[in-house]
Amino acid sequence: QKEVEQNSGPLSVPEGAIASLNCTYSDRVSQSFFWYRQYSGKSPELIMSIYSNGDKEDGRFTAQLNKASQYVSLLIRDSQPSDSATYLCAVNIINTGTASKLTFGTGTRLQVTL
Amino acid sequence: GAGVSQSPSNKVTEKGKDVELRCDPISGHTALYWYRQSLGQGLEFLIYFQGNSAPDKSGLPSDRFSAERTGGSVSTLTIQRTQQEDSAVYLCASSWFTETQYFGPGTRLLVL
Repeated sequence: QKEVEQNSGPLSVPEGAIASLNCTYSDRVSQSFFWYRQYSGKSPELIMSIYSNGDKEDGRFTAQLNKASQYVSLLIRDSQPSDSATYLCAVNIINTGTASKLTFGTGTRLQVTL
Repeated sequence: GAGVSQSPSNKVTEKGKDVELRCDPISGHTALYWYRQSLGQGLEFLIYFQGNSAPDKSGLPSDRFSAERTGGSVSTLTIQRTQQEDSAVYLCASSWFTETQYFGPGTRLLVL
């Protein structure tokens, strides 16, 4: 099992709809969770971080964390064509015997259609 | 404030040559990461520096790859005897311990 798993997509949603991006992780003691957006040819940029179970909202974005199910998701409301990008989930994976590090999933490509 | 910077932004080299890629992290950040991203692929972890701890080199693909971080700040990734499969974007990121990583613009490496 990969440490951080995402569906590669593409996930296609019409403009104005809600896009739901999902991520599962393997380490039960992970404490920090991040969503990054990466446009084609650009570097990843942070969208949201979440540390506690439940929902965290920031504008059109909502991150949802369920530690019991080892699941984190990102909802994008009122999707816009400018949201079309690859979304990377990152989780703080605790490595035994070494310092923990942030591990990335392979990303989900989102396409928002007109 | 200044973000993560990387140089060069683009590098074209011939197969068999050595290359050095540089990363200047955000001032005060304790951790520095190197990743590789091939066209259309996800981030491939290469190496991780955290303070004065021994680096996590578990992602380096071969002994042709090495990295150092001098004075807990600037890092250099060296690729010896480059191969065509080394062509990719090399991304550097820094963070305060294991918190949010901030990425540099990357170095696009093309090995002919």
